[in-house]
Amino acid sequence: EAGVAQSPRYKIIEKRQSVAFWCNPISGHATLYWYQQILGQGPKLLIQFQNNGVVDDSQLPKDRFSAERLKGVDSTLKIQPAKLEDSAVYLCASSLGLEQFFGPGTRLTVL
Amino acid sequence: EDQVTQSPEALRLQEGESSSLNCSYTVSGLRGLFWYRQDPGKGPEFLFTLYSAGEEKEKERLKATLTKKESFLHITAPKPEDSATYLCAVQENSGYALNFGKGTSLLVTP
Repeated sequence: EAGVAQSPRYKIIEKRQSVAFWCNPISGHATLYWYQQILGQGPKLLIQFQNNGVVDDSQLPKDRFSAERLKGVDSTLKIQPAKLEDSAVYLCASSLGLEQFFGPGTRLTVL
Repeated sequence: EDQVTQSPEALRLQEGESSSLNCSYTVSGLRGLFWYRQDPGKGPEFLFTLYSAGEEKEKERLKATLTKKESFLHITAPKPEDSATYLCAVQENSGYALNFGKGTSLLVTP
């Protein structure tokens, strides 16, 4: 069974630029999550989707972050404009039950 | 105040030297406690889910246990390939988000 796919794996941008990350969950998983993991910390939830709908986006900085999940499958997370403190690994996870399965992440460096 | 606290932050073991990692948590209602392993440059890999106090689960050299306030990940006779960061996360009854601790970085030397 294929795991969660993410791209790109690495991205380097200047502050104030925009960036987008893509995630393809495990086939059949209705729930999709985006987490932010800063170096030395555990992942922190940004947004949770159930099919097409947003379940929890309480910790998403909505002035600069946006996410969508079209057709209940793939998802895109966007940052515009990026700040230095957005440097982190962005992890996508999906679940069918309670257990969440993570992709390899996208490492973002903001200069 | 952190909901999930892991200790120690880092642990160095000799191959074959058994030890335990601790995860203390404070939640109003626990849906589940999860253990993940994370290798450098990779996403967290699911290990165990524990649902209620007294529950235990095992996988190879790893055994996870749960009480009402903490969980332990026991590593028996570790090998160098067990070197990784071990993350603990809790899921409350009010939602499905995982609230992670900062992890324990384990290094097993030959």
